[in-house]
Amino acid sequence: DIQMTQSPSSLSASVGDRVTITCRASQSISYFLNWYRQKPGKAPNLLIYEASSLQSGVPSRFSGSGSGTDFTLTISSLQPEDFATYYCQQSYSAPLTFGGGTQVEIK
Amino acid sequence: QVQLQESGPGLVKPSETLSLTCTVSGGSISSYYWSWIRQPPGKGLEWIGHIYSSGSTNYKPSLKSRVTISVDTSKNQFSLSLRSVTAADTAVYYCARAKGLQLWEYGMDVWGQGTTVTVSS
Repeated sequence: DIQMTQSPSSLSASVGDRVTITCRASQSISYFLNWYRQKPGKAPNLLIYEASSLQSGVPSRFSGSGSGTDFTLTISSLQPEDFATYYCQQSYSAPLTFGGGTQVEIK
Repeated sequence: QVQLQESGPGLVKPSETLSLTCTVSGGSISSYYWSWIRQPPGKGLEWIGHIYSSGSTNYKPSLKSRVTISVDTSKNQFSLSLRSVTAADTAVYYCARAKGLQLWEYGMDVWGQGTTVTVSS
């Protein structure tokens, strides 16, 4: 299985802050990396697919970059609804695997 | 738009079989990959496996001996069966659709709301 490691596991930030979350794969996954936001008690929501493609309907403050083993999710200006947990997920090969999550909390 | 709804018992006894169904509405189940994902209380997401509408499957290796995912295209449903459950199988179970026709490489863009399954006697 491909292991996905996210960092940090949690962070505190304020509304309007720029936030960056990183995800590292245990082997090269090309650009087959997806990002999700999960609000408490809700299902995850796809934000970014193919490392940098913005999912339809997702605000442009979200962006993704990277290829190979190292990836980042950036939120350019944190909004109140962005306080949530974020997960990366590789879709290079089965079994599909998720990172451990990054919880973004209010500072 | 496409919507997914999980259904099944919320309580399962240890050693028994957990059975869930995901009903697809607002679109066809054909030509897509359909996944089951679970999330234990307070923990992260775990992919269980997926099925293509033709019936081909992939499972997480550590669960493969206990899991079966099946599809019923006539009912626009797919199902999860997890045998010999223990307390470690207690989780919220989600069904989800892979983005893109005939592809599973681009993430999962439609999710059910999730159903909580507790394993307890």
